[in-house]
Amino acid sequence: DIQMTQSPSTLSASIGDRVTITCRASQSADRWLAWYQQKTGKAPELLIYEASRLASGVPSRFSGSGSGTEFTLTISSLQPSDFATYFCQQYNNYWTFGQGTKVEIK
Amino acid sequence: QVTLKESGPVLVKPTETLTLTCTVFGFSLNKGRMGVSWIRQPPGKALEWLANIFSKDEYSYSPSLRTRLTISKDTSKNQVVLTMTNMDPADTATYYCARMNDILDPFDIWGQGTMVTVSS
Repeated sequence: DIQMTQSPSTLSASIGDRVTITCRASQSADRWLAWYQQKTGKAPELLIYEASRLASGVPSRFSGSGSGTEFTLTISSLQPSDFATYFCQQYNNYWTFGQGTKVEIK
Repeated sequence: QVTLKESGPVLVKPTETLTLTCTVFGFSLNKGRMGVSWIRQPPGKALEWLANIFSKDEYSYSPSLRTRLTISKDTSKNQVVLTMTNMDPADTATYYCARMNDILDPFDIWGQGTMVTVSS
């Protein structure tokens, strides 16, 4: 199995901040990496796929980068609706998720 | 509009078999390379992929749960069914189904999830 490790586990930030979340894979995921946003009590929603492609309807303040074993999700200017938990997922070899990063209000 | 809806028991006893149904709307289970995955999430914890099935009846299981899972589909009912045997309290979770457009695609549309508690 490819293990996915996210950092940090929790992130405190303010409205307007630039936020970066990192996801590391235990072996290469090539470019087959997705990011999801999950709000409390709701199902996850797809934000980014193929490491850097924005899913339909996702605001352009979200961006993704990386390949192989290291990936990042960046929110360029944090908005109130962005306080949530974010998960990375590799789909190169089966399908595995990171443990999540909770973005909290500072 | 593409939607998925999970259904199944709210409560199961330890050692029982869980049967969950995912009914899909707005797309066909036998067109293209479409697939449906099952994912679960224990309260306050991370997501865990369980199994998936595709239009040409290819399927995969989580290596750690393979011996307990069976996935199948009924295209006439637009349903994907997951069974999990020998349920344990550690299997208490919200179970989601989600659509995939192809095997190398993410989960683009998710159901709302169904909470299953395992307790005697």
